[in-house]
Amino acid sequence: QQPVQSPQAVILREGEDAVINCSSSKALYSVHWYRQKHGEAPVFLMILLKGGEQKGHDKISASFNEKKQQSSLYLTASQLSYSGTYFCGIRSNDYKLSFGAGTTVTVRA
Amino acid sequence: DTGVSQDPRHKITKRGQNVTFRCDPISEHNRLYWYRQTLGQGPEFLTYFQNEAQLEKSRLLSDRFSAERPKGSFSTLEIQRTEQGDSAMYLCASSFPGSNEKLFFGSGTQLSVL
Repeated sequence: QQPVQSPQAVILREGEDAVINCSSSKALYSVHWYRQKHGEAPVFLMILLKGGEQKGHDKISASFNEKKQQSSLYLTASQLSYSGTYFCGIRSNDYKLSFGAGTTVTVRA
Repeated sequence: DTGVSQDPRHKITKRGQNVTFRCDPISEHNRLYWYRQTLGQGPEFLTYFQNEAQLEKSRLLSDRFSAERPKGSFSTLEIQRTEQGDSAMYLCASSFPGSNEKLFFGSGTQLSVL
C-alpha cells in the first residue's frame, strides 16, 4: 500500500526551509527518501530505521516516528540544487519499497 | 562501479507488439527490482529477484508481463501484446545484502505504445 505524501508541490526561494511529510497506514520497518530530477533516475538520499532517529544529508535531514508511522524530510536553507521531486519509500515486512506519489520542490533564486 | 544500466533508453512500438527491456545491475548486487513510473507518480513496484529467483510479483502485473534473471546477473522484462496503458518509464534498481534495501536505480526505459 502506497504511503501518502504532502504537500504535492512546494515553491521556495533560495535560503527558505520546507518540510515534506510521508505517512503510512501500515507498520513500518524503514523509510527511504529519494530525489528525482527531471528526466533522471531517482537518487538515494537516506534511510531511517525503526527507533525515531534523525538523519542528515548536507542540509537535508529527516525524522521517523515509528508509532505514528510517519516520516518528515526537512530542507533547510534551500539551494537551487534541491529542486526536484522527492519520494518517500516505505518498507514493511518484506524487501520491496512502496513509493509515494512524490513532492515536487522548486527552488527559485 | 559502473552503476545500473538499462537498454534501450527509449522504445516506441505499436499496440499489439512485444517488447523486451534489459537491465544490468551493479555486479555485486544480488537483489534486482523492476518498477514502472508514469508521469506525476512515484515508482510502482512490479517484481523483484534475489539472485536468479523471482521472489515477488505485483498483483497489478498482468500475464502479459514476464521477467527473468538467468544466472542471477542481468534481467529482462518482456511485455507481450502491448497496450497504450503500458506506456511508462520502466525502472530497474538493484541492492546489496545488508544495505537495508538502499536502491540504486538505472536511468530507465521510456516506453511509448502508439
